[in-house]
Amino acid sequence: DVKVTQSSRYLVKRTGEKVFLECVQDMDHENMFWYRQDPGLGLRLIYFSYDVKMKEKGDIPEGYSVSREKKERFSLILESASTNQTSMYLCASRKTTGTYGYTFGSGTRLTVV
Amino acid sequence: GDSVTQMEGPVTLSEEAFLTINCTYTATGYPSLFWYVQYPGEGLQLLLKATKADDKGSNKGFEATYRKETTSFHLEKGSVQVSDSAVYFCALSLGSGYSTLTFGKGTMLLVSP
Repeated sequence: DVKVTQSSRYLVKRTGEKVFLECVQDMDHENMFWYRQDPGLGLRLIYFSYDVKMKEKGDIPEGYSVSREKKERFSLILESASTNQTSMYLCASRKTTGTYGYTFGSGTRLTVV
Repeated sequence: GDSVTQMEGPVTLSEEAFLTINCTYTATGYPSLFWYVQYPGEGLQLLLKATKADDKGSNKGFEATYRKETTSFHLEKGSVQVSDSAVYFCALSLGSGYSTLTFGKGTMLLVSP
């Protein structure tokens, strides 16, 4: 069964900490994405990557960075966590060609205190 | 820019009732359209999709028809079950290999026995 795996389901961090959220996919997908999900706002795209070492800003990149050193792994980095970054973070991947559907991970619920 | 508008929830139904969740879109080209479902505590799963006008996507008793003239992709099910309780997201993609998904804000469905 194909999978997108996010390393943590729940995470609690302190304000100002550097936070790493990890995502790994086993489907050889070229494209990977990070979204955050908030009540009443739906899903908003933070960053995406269409190839190793490539990255593109999404709609809300401020306060975040990403790393894609290997095809299967896409990391989201909160440089200095703030309380307004408390959210559910969802990773997804897809192939460049084909049906354009995404496969999502189970999400990481991050709380910044 | 591209956008997706969904009816606000929650939608509250009794088991075996008929379900409609409205979705309309605005896009500069000819998008592919998707419905995703998120069960409590989980990530998003692709429910169904349609890639061109008049296509009907269907899965697990859910259906949606791509209506270009009304720019709509309404989700329907003839008889809902308690297990259908979830959040449903309508989304579009302009379909090129490097395009991203644009999501609506989601509609929560609550089905009571």
